[in-house]
Amino acid sequence: NAGVTQTPKFRVLKTGQSMTLLCAQDMNHEYMYWYRQDPGMGLRLIHYSVGEGTTAKGEVPDGYNVSRLKKQNFLLGLESAAPSQTSVYFCASSPGTRFFAHANSGANVLTFGAGSRLTVL
Amino acid sequence: AQRVTQPEKLLSVFKGAPVELKCNYSYSGSPELFWYVQYSRQRLQLLLRHISRESIKGFTADLNKGETSFHLKKPFAQEEDSAMYYCALSGDSSNTGKLIFGQGTTLQVKP
Repeated sequence: NAGVTQTPKFRVLKTGQSMTLLCAQDMNHEYMYWYRQDPGMGLRLIHYSVGEGTTAKGEVPDGYNVSRLKKQNFLLGLESAAPSQTSVYFCASSPGTRFFAHANSGANVLTFGAGSRLTVL
Repeated sequence: AQRVTQPEKLLSVFKGAPVELKCNYSYSGSPELFWYVQYSRQRLQLLLRHISRESIKGFTADLNKGETSFHLKKPFAQEEDSAMYYCALSGDSSNTGKLIFGQGTTLQVKP
């Protein structure tokens, strides 16, 4: 049981290049999220998904796109990378609040991946 | 607007001293609050939730709705407590489970 797996772990891009970060979870979680972590800013939500085939914008979605074609995978794409997108990216998943009525069920507990460090030159 | 504020970027204490990591939130409804921790070279992981009313690794946190705070406390700090701590809020009435995180506080426990 690997939990949440992110690939790649490190990547260096030049301005204007594109790339995709892959997040895979094997816990059958409904909800998945992409956050970025920057010094002094904490974690900020980029995009999220509440089920296969659905995506929605978070706090800082500009410059990113996402897809959730399969329940276990959540892809984050950068179409034209910019230096401002230099960051550590974290994927997370959770069981999903819609399916758990009990407060202590852990429905909102996020399981995180190890992170992907992206540098844009 | 929902917001989580952790006023201290760095908190440095000696081993055995009490620790209090501050967290204040802004949310008009009934929040669900969490503390997550990131140890060096490890993944971000849940430390505790207010609804569980647990004590994990000696840490406790009480939700104070009047002061809109959820401070994390430990009576005697250990060196292994050194880590980055994030306070997070789930105040999402549409049940998307998304969390709003604070800026994070680095706890440094000196020997």
